[in-house]
Amino acid sequence: DTEVTQTPKHLVMGMTNKKSLKCEQHMGHRAMYWYKQKAKKPPELMFVYSYEKLSINESVPSRFSPECPNSSLLNLHLHALQPEDSALYLCASSQASGIGNSPLHFGNGTRLTVT
Amino acid sequence: GNSVTQMEGPVTLSEEAFLTINCTYTATGYPSLFWYVQYPGEGLQLLLKATKADDKGSNKGFEATYRKETTSFHLEKGSVQVSDSAVYFCALSDAGGAGSYQLTFGKGTKLSVIP
Repeated sequence: DTEVTQTPKHLVMGMTNKKSLKCEQHMGHRAMYWYKQKAKKPPELMFVYSYEKLSINESVPSRFSPECPNSSLLNLHLHALQPEDSALYLCASSQASGIGNSPLHFGNGTRLTVT
Repeated sequence: GNSVTQMEGPVTLSEEAFLTINCTYTATGYPSLFWYVQYPGEGLQLLLKATKADDKGSNKGFEATYRKETTSFHLEKGSVQVSDSAVYFCALSDAGGAGSYQLTFGKGTKLSVIP
């Protein structure tokens, strides 16, 4: 069982919908991540939060809006998505000391389909 | 910039065969190196890691040695099982320690083990 929990597991949304992906961890990690993974590709980093502050934003379109309400929770708000945004969205966490000292722990992801 | 090159798949092996998945990297400084595994329908799991030259990471019968002279981190297992069927990603974290939150992934290698 993964220690990073993501909900929902699957999501189908239209291009005019607003939805949110949720991620939770209780390992005391202070860095949390959003990745996007297309089929047969490696994950691509979207955002990194460190101590609840956004530290890395990989030039992601504004239709993706991250939020870190507290040290255990990470949300990704979705609005006006395009069909090409369909992918597996992975949440991960690590200790705030950095990946070299504490590898990423991934959730099982949300499979998003945009129609 | 940093990069990771791993052998193209898919790789198909019979049960109990020997496995090697090649991985080479380009990085400045002294990165930490990782192998992650992704089973169907799941997120990524850390398989093993090495943080400095000549370190050997091992887990579940898999091994990889950090070779600075050849900039390689090849994954090996002496006897694969059907349950090892998955996609394997080689990855590096630059700076190798504190404050580094970025992973560079290889493209992934799909392994299928047949009975």
